[in-house]
This record gives sequence, structure tokens and C-alpha cells, in this order.
Amino acid sequence: KQEVTQIPAALSVPEGENLVLNCSFTDSAIYNLQWFRQDPGKGLTSLLLIQSSQREQTSGRLNASLDKSSGRSTLYIAASQPGDSATYLCAGSYYKLSFGAGTTVTVRA
Amino acid sequence: GAVVSQHPSWVICKSGTSVKIECRSLDFQATTMFWYRQFPKQSLMLMATSNEGSKATYEQGVEKDKFLINHASLTLSTLTVTSAHPEDSSFYICSATSGTSGGAGYEQYFGPGTRLTVT
Repeated sequence: KQEVTQIPAALSVPEGENLVLNCSFTDSAIYNLQWFRQDPGKGLTSLLLIQSSQREQTSGRLNASLDKSSGRSTLYIAASQPGDSATYLCAGSYYKLSFGAGTTVTVRA
Repeated sequence: GAVVSQHPSWVICKSGTSVKIECRSLDFQATTMFWYRQFPKQSLMLMATSNEGSKATYEQGVEKDKFLINHASLTLSTLTVTSAHPEDSSFYICSATSGTSGGAGYEQYFGPGTRLTVT
């Protein structure tokens, strides 16, 4: 079974601190892994997509790594801002997307 | 590019009525579209996968006769919740991909979601 787990479920940090969000998956035969942001009551915003052949992707303050052998991906957000407060979801792409339950981040001003 | 829209963004209906939700790919042809359901503070649950011109493939536990999916063109898929009940109240999100093979491995582009409330 293709399970995706995100720990912790919630995270609160002061503004300016770096964020580290973890995602683990049981089946390493993924095509790619995606990170999404979801604001309350809204849809998903795609942040980064890492192909299975890649080890990381970067976009601005965001950096995501992928280690298939250990079944882990990590999303780093540098110098967090209150506007980064949201729920972050990771999803492994198999025949279909398998989503983690998400990490809800609160950045305190 | 790769914009997906949903309509309506929210809808309130009475128990026993049917509600149709549209999902459109605005700037690309979506060979495969997906419908998800999300309960409060939970992650997305895949309901069904639809390919243009074919019958949708439903996930285990999803009632085909209750959640009717039509993927009539390469830019439009619809989800109809038939004889809606309060327990059908949820956030419904669609996604679309231009990939083949059911979309496996291709990036999915998500719509903004539709909030359904059944009274």
C-alpha cells in the first residue's frame, strides 16, 4: 500500500526562523513527489515537483529534497514569514497521487 | 499556464436535490481529470478518475450512482451529486493532467475547489 506520512501535524515558529517539513512514503516506486500549499477553505497551490530522477528542486525561499532510497522528502522554507502560515501537503505520484495528511504551519509575527 | 477552474465555488442545496459541479482546464487539453473530496482538517481523498470519452473509474467505497462523473470533452468534466444528503457536505476539488496512462507520473493541476453544503 502506498502510504504517505507527514510529521509533525502542526508547527508553530517565530517569524524569521527556517521551516523544515517532513514527508515519508512507503513505496519508493514513485514517478515524482509534489509539495502543495493549502490556505483555509481554498484549493491547492503547487509549490514544487521533484521527479524521481532528481534529488532536489528550488524556488525562491523554498527547497525540496527527495531521497527515494530512504523514502523521504523534506521541504525547507527559509526565513519564514507570517504569510507562510498554511497547511503544506506532500503527495507521491504513483498511478494516482497519494497525499499525506499535511502539516499546518503557523508563523508568529 | 495550466489553469483549472471550478464552478460554482460554493453551493447550498436542500436534501434530496442534485448538484452539478464543473471542472474546466482553461489553457490545456486534459486527457485525465480527477475528483477529490476533502473533509475538514483532513487530506484529499481520491473519488474517481475520468478520461475523456470513457467511463470514470471510481475508488473503492465511492458510490457510482451517487457521484456521477462525465468527462465529455478534453476541457470539461462534471461531478453530479445526486439526491444529496447532509453527509455529502464537503469540499470537492478537481485536478487535471495532459498526461496519458491515466495521468500516472504527470503533474496534476488543481482547481480552487467547491464547497457543498446540504441542508
